[in-house]
Amino acid sequence: RKEVEQDPGPFNVPEGATVAFNCTYSNSASQSFFWYRQDCRKEPKLLMSVYSSGNEDGRFTAQLNRASQYISLLIRDSKLSDSATYLCVVKGTGGFKTIFGAGTRLFVKA
Amino acid sequence: SQTIHQWPATLVQPVGSPLSLECTVEGTSNPNLYWYRQAAGRGLQLLFYSVGIGQISSEVPQNLSASRPQDRQFILSSKKLLLSDSGFYLCAWSRMAGSYNEQFFGPGTRLTVL
Repeated sequence: RKEVEQDPGPFNVPEGATVAFNCTYSNSASQSFFWYRQDCRKEPKLLMSVYSSGNEDGRFTAQLNRASQYISLLIRDSKLSDSATYLCVVKGTGGFKTIFGAGTRLFVKA
Repeated sequence: SQTIHQWPATLVQPVGSPLSLECTVEGTSNPNLYWYRQAAGRGLQLLFYSVGIGQISSEVPQNLSASRPQDRQFILSSKKLLLSDSGFYLCAWSRMAGSYNEQFFGPGTRLTVL
């Protein structure tokens, strides 16, 4: 089993749609969780950290379920500019071992 | 604000040639530094990380090496490149302390080994 697993997609959605991505992780001792966005042939950029109580940033909502070992990202009112690959990131104990998921591709169409 | 630079942006090298990629960070001190590789269509693989000058930890055995000659400089090297070394090389930094020390990436170097 991979340490961090994501549905590779692609997810094809119309503008204005709501889309949700899930990510599962295998190490129950994992401490920190993030979502990154990566545009084609560009570096990953931090989208948001994921906190235990869940957190929201504009149209984006992230949630963590420690019991089931998954995190989620919800995008509301999708924009064309949301088209990208979304990377789930899990950091273990010790602060250095950071595992990136392979990413979920999202295409938002007009 | 902090910025991270990488160069070159793209590189085409023959098999067996040496490699040197450089990464520098501005606007912060004592950062953790990381080298990742991303193969085409795949996730990021952590290659090396460093918590200070001269301190390098390797995550996977390979023909690559890393060095940190200065606090905000991180270098990735190889004496002889293999075809399998092709990929997108990303340098990242994070703050030293705290569990939620997010990593911030440089623009990357796209390496093609022929």
